[in-house]
Amino acid sequence: SSELTQDPAVSVALGQTATITCQGDILRTYFATWYQQKPGQAPVLLIYGTNTRPSGIPDRFSGSTSTNTASLTITGAQAEDEAVYYCSSRDFSAKFLFGGGTKLTVL
Amino acid sequence: EMQLVESGGGLVQPGRSLRLSCVASGFTFEGYAMHWVRQTPGKGLEWVAGISWNSGDLDYADSVKGRFTISRDNAKNALYLQMNSLRHEDTALYYCAKAVGIALGGALGDVWGHGTTVTVFS
Repeated sequence: SSELTQDPAVSVALGQTATITCQGDILRTYFATWYQQKPGQAPVLLIYGTNTRPSGIPDRFSGSTSTNTASLTITGAQAEDEAVYYCSSRDFSAKFLFGGGTKLTVL
Repeated sequence: EMQLVESGGGLVQPGRSLRLSCVASGFTFEGYAMHWVRQTPGKGLEWVAGISWNSGDLDYADSVKGRFTISRDNAKNALYLQMNSLRHEDTALYYCAKAVGIALGGALGDVWGHGTTVTVFS
């Protein structure tokens, strides 16, 4: 099915590693794209393609994919990383899908 | 600095029309595909429509196909979304977003506007 499923919430201790996942059959074919959104702000592109980070995105953010699951890993989470994270991908009819978002809490 | 500024949102009754605009600056607008993405508190982000650099390729979410029309004017660095037959469920914050490349199928959103709010009410 053309859906992307994310856990609603993930928590991580300050300085530890957080992993946010995104599941969907379309990820067997297309790359996932990851965004960060903080309250009252527009989303920010974090990762696209084969783990490409736009200029200005810290290298503690990385992406990977295994079969139908894409993962966003934050190595050494910081307080400012507390936000909602969305995955996205194309679907089989070339339209774009977004996951429901994962709220990351940094403890 | 790359920037997108949306306008045209507002309050509108069901069945009426609204036209959103997005003006780009700080990058070569004609060199990139562009998209509209909307957000509601209950549903998160939803892709609405996309257009390739030269308007040769357009696509729409099923929820708006036949009602919304995306267009662009590269001479004016502007992106538009004509929204007809508006419904309550079209109520959202509408963002324009720059694509990473010229084609419609590449990643989107390396630049976002601040959004413009559309409220459809009876």
